[in-house]
Amino acid sequence: GESVGLHLPTLSVQEGDNSIINCAYSNSASDYFIWYKQESGKGPQFIIDIRSNMDKRQGQRVTVLLNKTVKHLSLQIAATQPGDSAVYFCAENNYGQNFVFGPGTRLSVLP
Amino acid sequence: NAGVTQTPKFRILKIGQSMTLQCAQDMNHNYMYWYRQDPGMGLKLIYYSVGAGITDKGEVPNGYNVSRSTTEDFPLRLELAAPSQTSVYFCASRSGQQKEAFFGQGTRLTVV
Repeated sequence: GESVGLHLPTLSVQEGDNSIINCAYSNSASDYFIWYKQESGKGPQFIIDIRSNMDKRQGQRVTVLLNKTVKHLSLQIAATQPGDSAVYFCAENNYGQNFVFGPGTRLSVLP
Repeated sequence: NAGVTQTPKFRILKIGQSMTLQCAQDMNHNYMYWYRQDPGMGLKLIYYSVGAGITDKGEVPNGYNVSRSTTEDFPLRLELAAPSQTSVYFCASRSGQQKEAFFGQGTRLTVV
């Protein structure tokens, strides 16, 4: 069945450093992936998405990389700031109505 | 736009009580979803709807019911609350053209 998981449940980085959050997925038929950011006490918020016909997509300070060979997704945050502290979820979709969410990684930015 | 609005924000229920979690969106989205999030965990899909009058079960539907009489509203009903339903509940919506979902602020429910 479908499953999405994360290699690291928590990640601490120094302010100004780059962050890399990883995600493994098991459904090779998944065609679309989203990264969400969830701040404390709030609902998840869309960050960036990528389709399976791409291997890289860039946004403002964020980059998502997709490696379909090993079914791996990563979110890179450049020059991490205190406001980036949150839980980050990856979610996958395989042409259907719904997404499968991973358990999340908590990112802590150290001063 | 208000986006996705959930009420209440917090609620404590006794075992066996019932309640309805309200969700409304003003973006004219066809797709609406209810998720639960247990502490330190990801989101589990309870029910979803692809349009008014249509609802489907998600991954964890037992103990819940939904209805979708209008495009804007998607209430979630708990009939006989159990401690296992203690969780944070999120409602989300999206358009048919985009897969990005917009989430509400969540309802924190405790069943004692």
